[in-house]
Amino acid sequence: DVKVTQSSRYLVKRTGEKVFLECVQDMDHENMFWYRQDPGLGLRLIYFSYDVKMKEKGDIPEGYSVSREKKERFSLILESASTNQTSMYLCASSSLPASGLGVDTQYFGPGTRLTVL
Amino acid sequence: GQNIDQPTEMTATEGAIVQINCTYQTSGFNGLFWYQQHAGEAPTFLSYNVLDGLEEKGRFSSFLSRSKGYSYLLLKELQMKDSASYLCAVTDSNYQLIWGAGTKLIIKP
Repeated sequence: DVKVTQSSRYLVKRTGEKVFLECVQDMDHENMFWYRQDPGLGLRLIYFSYDVKMKEKGDIPEGYSVSREKKERFSLILESASTNQTSMYLCASSSLPASGLGVDTQYFGPGTRLTVL
Repeated sequence: GQNIDQPTEMTATEGAIVQINCTYQTSGFNGLFWYQQHAGEAPTFLSYNVLDGLEEKGRFSSFLSRSKGYSYLLLKELQMKDSASYLCAVTDSNYQLIWGAGTKLIIKP
């Protein structure tokens, strides 16, 4: 079974703090993703990575950065947390289709519910 | 712009059948996913459709019509554990996933 783990289920931080959210997958997946999920909105892609040390901006990258130093680990960084970053953060991973094209099933971690006060 | 539409909430009775619809307008199409998400948990994969027609998997079936930009998820013999949100997601021409806001399904005894 694919396992995606996230460092914390619940996190409370103060405005202006630097926040690190860690994600680890154990299936040797090439692709990793960070989303945020807010009530009434679909999952919104923050950043994704197709390879080690590679990153691509998603739909809402402002205020976030990422790091992928190892294949299995993808970190999301909030440089200076703000109250509008209070949300559920979901990490996901997927393999690369054999054809090299397309999208394979994404496997999600349990999520981190971040509250910024 | 790209858009995925699903009903916000639906209610059904245990043992019954429910159909959750999803319509989409995206720049290109390379497949449609359905995920289930129980409250406070991660989304889990249910089905993937890339060709028109019905895909059946046990009590769950998913249908796709590419010409109409339409899909539905059919749940039969509903059980209380089916109470969850159901997320529709479409892969666009750049192979990016566009997510709907999800449909919260409430099952009543």
